[in-house]
Amino acid sequence: KNEVEQSPQNLTAQEGEFITINCSYSVGISALHWLQQHPGGGIVSLFMLSSGKKKHGRLIATINIQEKHSSLHITASHPRDSAVYICAVWRSSGGSNYKLTFGKGTLLTVNP
Amino acid sequence: NAGVMQNPRHLVRRRGQEARLRCSPMKGHSHVYWYRQLPEEGLKFMVYLQKENIIDESGMPKERFSAEFPKEGPSILRIQQVVRGDSAAYFCASSPFFSSGNTIYFGEGSWLTVV
Repeated sequence: KNEVEQSPQNLTAQEGEFITINCSYSVGISALHWLQQHPGGGIVSLFMLSSGKKKHGRLIATINIQEKHSSLHITASHPRDSAVYICAVWRSSGGSNYKLTFGKGTLLTVNP
Repeated sequence: NAGVMQNPRHLVRRRGQEARLRCSPMKGHSHVYWYRQLPEEGLKFMVYLQKENIIDESGMPKERFSAEFPKEGPSILRIQQVVRGDSAAYFCASSPFFSSGNTIYFGEGSWLTVV
């Protein structure tokens, strides 16, 4: 079992729909990132969370540390939101070092 | 302030050749991370470096792969005697401070194809 699990793996939506992508992790973490990757493109960090909720435009990210679960929501989805969304957690790699462990990503396609 | 710069963006190598991937972190960032993304797989940690030091190379294959981050110049990920299985996207990221959950900035990636 992967330490970071995302669901769904693939998601197709119509423009305007509300979208939720989930991330569960099984290790202790210091923070969690939601990342966005367009096909053949680079990676952008959308949010870094260690507790609670953050909002940026149409994007909302929440985290529940006790339940080891985070969600990324997109309101009023648009075709330009089509991308792979990746959950990544900072976890200790021994001593005072940390490293990112990634989920496999959720491929989101928003149709016009 | 330029972002994390990686080059080349695309690199084609024949089996047995060497591949060198470069990463210039954001200005003021002294922590560099390399990640590999194999086709149809997620990103995997390879190595974490600070200037002139390898801090954690637990994700790096023991043979043929090496990384450095010299006092001057970019970080280099070097793959010797490449094989088809090395074909992947290699991403570099940087952060300004100690890696305990800080914001991290990714480059555009270097796509290596081994033919």
